[in-house]
Amino acid sequence: EVQLVESGGGLVKPGESLTLSCEASGLTFNNARMTWVRQAPGKGLEWVGHIKTKTDGGTIDYAAPLKGRFTLARDDSKNTLYLQMNNLRTEDTALYYCSARIYVNSARSDYWGQGTLVTVSS
Amino acid sequence: QSVVTQPPSASGTPGQRVTISCSGSSSNIAGHSVAWYQQLPGMAPKLLIYDNKQRPSGVPDRFSASKSGTSASLAISGLQPDDEADYYCAVWDDSLYGVVFGGGTKLTVL
Repeated sequence: EVQLVESGGGLVKPGESLTLSCEASGLTFNNARMTWVRQAPGKGLEWVGHIKTKTDGGTIDYAAPLKGRFTLARDDSKNTLYLQMNNLRTEDTALYYCSARIYVNSARSDYWGQGTLVTVSS
Repeated sequence: QSVVTQPPSASGTPGQRVTISCSGSSSNIAGHSVAWYQQLPGMAPKLLIYDNKQRPSGVPDRFSASKSGTSASLAISGLQPDDEADYYCAVWDDSLYGVVFGGGTKLTVL
């Protein structure tokens, strides 16, 4: 069974930093494109960014408004995805989901964690 | 305001067929594959459709989708009470150089 478990969320003040983790199990992590998506309270989904597999070049793409403040990284030896968030703003308050995309015989599957809540407030 | 537009709400009665639209532009839907997600209340999103019309394993064939030009649509036939959820389209956008989600459509089963 595939499981994605996010951690690291919490209450922080504006301007502070936070690093989220997403630990995966039950899948070949180095074959998965990993993505962060966030959802502000009562709002829709917002793509944060993704990091491709090393086979696909390991490219990292970010949502334009977040580029420069947010950094994605992966450690394939630990089956873990990271999201470092700097200079946090109140509008970064959201539930942060990680997602894994894999292909088996050209068929795509996406797996999602249950999210970790980040609250930015003074 | 997302560059990809969905109606905020849709509704239908059990057994009916409903469609949800997703309107974009030449920088997104026209040139890239569309995915659709279902988000049940209090749950993480679930992939319903990828590559415009492909269903992942386990997704019932009551869910279908299509794309034409700068628009895409999701159809749900044989509507069931459990289909009551938020539905999102998602697609790569060349201008933003990132994935954009539609604003989401809240489906109510009357």
